[in-house]
Amino acid sequence: DAKTTQPPSMDCAEGRAANLPCNHSTISGNEYVYWYRQIHSQGPQYIIHGLKNNETNEMASLIITEDRKSSTLILPHATLRDTAVYYCIVRVAAFAGGFKTIFGAGTRLFVKA
Amino acid sequence: EAGVAQSPRYKIIEKRQSVAFWCNPISGHATLYWYQQILGQGPKLLIQFQNNGVVDDSQLPKDRFSAERLKGVDSTLKIQPAKLEDSAVYLCASSLLGLEAKNIQYFGAGTRLSVL
Repeated sequence: DAKTTQPPSMDCAEGRAANLPCNHSTISGNEYVYWYRQIHSQGPQYIIHGLKNNETNEMASLIITEDRKSSTLILPHATLRDTAVYYCIVRVAAFAGGFKTIFGAGTRLFVKA
Repeated sequence: EAGVAQSPRYKIIEKRQSVAFWCNPISGHATLYWYQQILGQGPKLLIQFQNNGVVDDSQLPKDRFSAERLKGVDSTLKIQPAKLEDSAVYLCASSLLGLEAKNIQYFGAGTRLSVL
């Protein structure tokens, strides 16, 4: 089972910031939080990841709470092209020394004009 | 840089037929993944290769699904015989082998399979 919970859907007005929450209360100290998104008819696309510090790149910002039990992905100026399903993932330990990526259902973000 | 290539993009077969999907990962990526994505759900990992060895196939229905990665580059996923519930998008992804911090997966566009 996925180690994260996300709201099933959210709306955002074009040009406004989209804030997508994720709960991962059972995260372990060395586990990273990853965000991917999937635009219709495409494969998932990596957005950003982090361990405990806030991260920012050209696509988004990731805010991780101090206790690391939740995080928020921020798209600062959402456009219609940001309409997609957003997945928050904490990889779980699997085979020896390895990790498994388990996708949940994600959050379907609708950006409206 | 070329991305992950998958073919075919679409495939329609009848139940009990066989089908194969092909994936060419990004050059230099040692890890290759096959996922199954049923409509309305997130992708589910079927099998993970590291070079040409299998490191995780716990979710692969081995009675009908098989996968191989000869020479540690290209990979094929086969279903024989197909069932109606195998209708899904089959996604291939690849990543560099390294520290967890660098384990970013790059996905292909997928193959959409319809079993009639």
